[in-house]
Amino acid sequence: AQTVTQSQPEMSVQEAETVTLSCTYDTSESDYYLFWYKQPPSRQMILVIRQEAYKQQNATENRFSVNFQKAAKSFSLKISDSQLGDAAMYFCAGGPSNTGKLIFGQGTTLQVKP
Amino acid sequence: DTAVSQTPKYLVTQMGNDKSIKCEQNLGHDTMYWYKQDSKKFLKIMFSYNNKELIINETVPNRFSPKSPDKAHLNLHINSLELGDSAVYFCASSQDPGFSYNEQFFGPGTRLTVL
Repeated sequence: AQTVTQSQPEMSVQEAETVTLSCTYDTSESDYYLFWYKQPPSRQMILVIRQEAYKQQNATENRFSVNFQKAAKSFSLKISDSQLGDAAMYFCAGGPSNTGKLIFGQGTTLQVKP
Repeated sequence: DTAVSQTPKYLVTQMGNDKSIKCEQNLGHDTMYWYKQDSKKFLKIMFSYNNKELIINETVPNRFSPKSPDKAHLNLHINSLELGDSAVYFCASSQDPGFSYNEQFFGPGTRLTVL
């Protein structure tokens, strides 16, 4: 069984500052992928970043980066230089590499203050 | 050009009715999915088809029946609608099952309201 837990229902950040969203992923699988999705008010699900569990190097996409601590089952998302357009609900998700079965966390609503 | 499209975007109906939601993808993908997002925003996978074959079938009431007439389409039919079926339903597609070389692209969602 897999579980994805996001313990922060809401977070806020000042524009141009940095914020970190937390996630824990528990699985018995050895080969899996982790993702962060963004859902703005338009409700469109947008992939922000992905991480292969077997890779030691943390993924980075422009202002978005992850800190993947495999032993601690931690997968946090860091957003640098926050922009107003980053305001959205962020979902952590994961799944075994060969199934496509994504399990989502509860989501964290991010507010960006001007 | 819309990659994954769903119709309708909004659906309001009475309890007990039967309704369908359609999904089409123009990405040439082999795998399609249905997810349900409840009122608390929790997203859960329901079904997945690969090349028209059902490969993921989660614990979903059998009132829900997916149908894939071809690789580009995956429709969701719901019989005898109940209040608890009110949710946003997302369709998604990916090149193949698994995550090794591809991601899941999501449609815009269909908000279903059962009165």
